[in-house]
Amino acid sequence: QKEVEQNSGPLSVPEGAIASLNCTYSDRVSQSFFWYRQYSGKSPELIMSIYSNGDKEDGRFTAQLNKASQYVSLLIRDSQPSDSATYLCAVNGAGSYQLTFGKGTKLSVIP
Amino acid sequence: NAGVTQTPKFQVLKTGQSMTLQCAQDMNHNSMYWYRQDPGMGLRLIYYSASEGTTDKGEVPNGYNVSRLNKREFSLRLESAAPSQTSVYFCASSDAGGQGNIQYFGAGTRLSVL
Repeated sequence: QKEVEQNSGPLSVPEGAIASLNCTYSDRVSQSFFWYRQYSGKSPELIMSIYSNGDKEDGRFTAQLNKASQYVSLLIRDSQPSDSATYLCAVNGAGSYQLTFGKGTKLSVIP
Repeated sequence: NAGVTQTPKFQVLKTGQSMTLQCAQDMNHNSMYWYRQDPGMGLRLIYYSASEGTTDKGEVPNGYNVSRLNKREFSLRLESAAPSQTSVYFCASSDAGGQGNIQYFGAGTRLSVL
């Protein structure tokens, strides 16, 4: 069974700091990787997608992928209180329609 | 654009009652999905429809049925609701599988089965 593991947190960081969120996955043939943000009582919304080894930056967000280590991470620079949410890692196999989600890491940014 | 619209937003059922959750998307996506989200369990796929006319089971299909009514609409039916089906249900859509499987979610239906 495909598994996606995340530290459940809560992860607390001060405002302006870098938040680092980590995710490991079990299916070695996974091809696509996604980070979703979910505010309490709301639906998940896509933040980043990454498909190749290395870093991908979008504003204050950087996704990092290491397929050899089966590891994907999300860095949030200059963290803001509005970044306080649960972050979900999702993994997809080649050509697959089934995303496997981790249970999420709850992030709290302290003003 | 509305994106993905789910109805109803809230529902309370008694054990054994039936109901249908409705989902519609206006993004011309080919694929649609139904998930449930429970505390400590994350998002789990119930059923999905890769394209109009097809449906497939996900991780937790027992107790549910689905209908892909047309390209826009994908419904989830609970024939005889059980307390274990108390959950938040999300519908999602995407353009394709693989790298195209960027899924967009509806606002959710909060279901309580008493």
